[in-house]
Amino acid sequence: QLQLQESGPRLVKPSETLSLTCTVSGASISSSNYFWGWIRQPPGRGLEWIGSIYYTGTTYHNSSLKSRVTMAMDSPKNFFSLRLTSVTAADTTVYFCAAQDSATKRIDFWGQGIPVTVSS
Amino acid sequence: EIVLTQSPGTLSLSPGERATVSCRASQRVTNSYLVWYQQKPGQAPRLLIYGASNRATGIPDRFSGSGSETDFTLTISRVEPEDFAMYYCQQFDNSIPALTFGGGTKVEIK
Repeated sequence: QLQLQESGPRLVKPSETLSLTCTVSGASISSSNYFWGWIRQPPGRGLEWIGSIYYTGTTYHNSSLKSRVTMAMDSPKNFFSLRLTSVTAADTTVYFCAAQDSATKRIDFWGQGIPVTVSS
Repeated sequence: EIVLTQSPGTLSLSPGERATVSCRASQRVTNSYLVWYQQKPGQAPRLLIYGASNRATGIPDRFSGSGSETDFTLTISRVEPEDFAMYYCQQFDNSIPALTFGGGTKVEIK
């Protein structure tokens, strides 16, 4: 069974960079079967797609966040990562990593989510 | 960017009643890329329906999806106590590419 686990600091200062890692088990991130993505959800609110990375290294971003987002993958260690620069209080939210089936575009697997607070 | 608008925002029902959740797109959506999720408090979303009308593995047949182009519907034929949750639609636009979610519909106990 494919599993994903987010990790990273839960408190980030305003204007700094948020860095998260998603460790994948039960599948190789070098597989063409999935896009590896990030989604966030502010407390009590809806889901917002941040971006996705494919095994080729190609990335796709939400246009509203694109200039601040960098995604990468480490195939030998089987994890992918997110960097979000110049964070503000509006970036305080739960961040999920996810595996999106490359054929159907459905998100089959989700991490449990990691809450991140932006505060000085 | 395709915007998905869900309605109603909240649906108050008694167990055994029928739930109908609408997802309207600002532009035509590829049917095969329209997905529905269920989310309970403190949990990640769970896949319910993909390709507009295909139930995911393990999803009870009281859940069904329908629709095409810009209008899609999630129906729960008879709401069970465990179905009270948030529901989200999602689409993937291959032309950009980009993924978007609807704003969500809360199905609550009346």
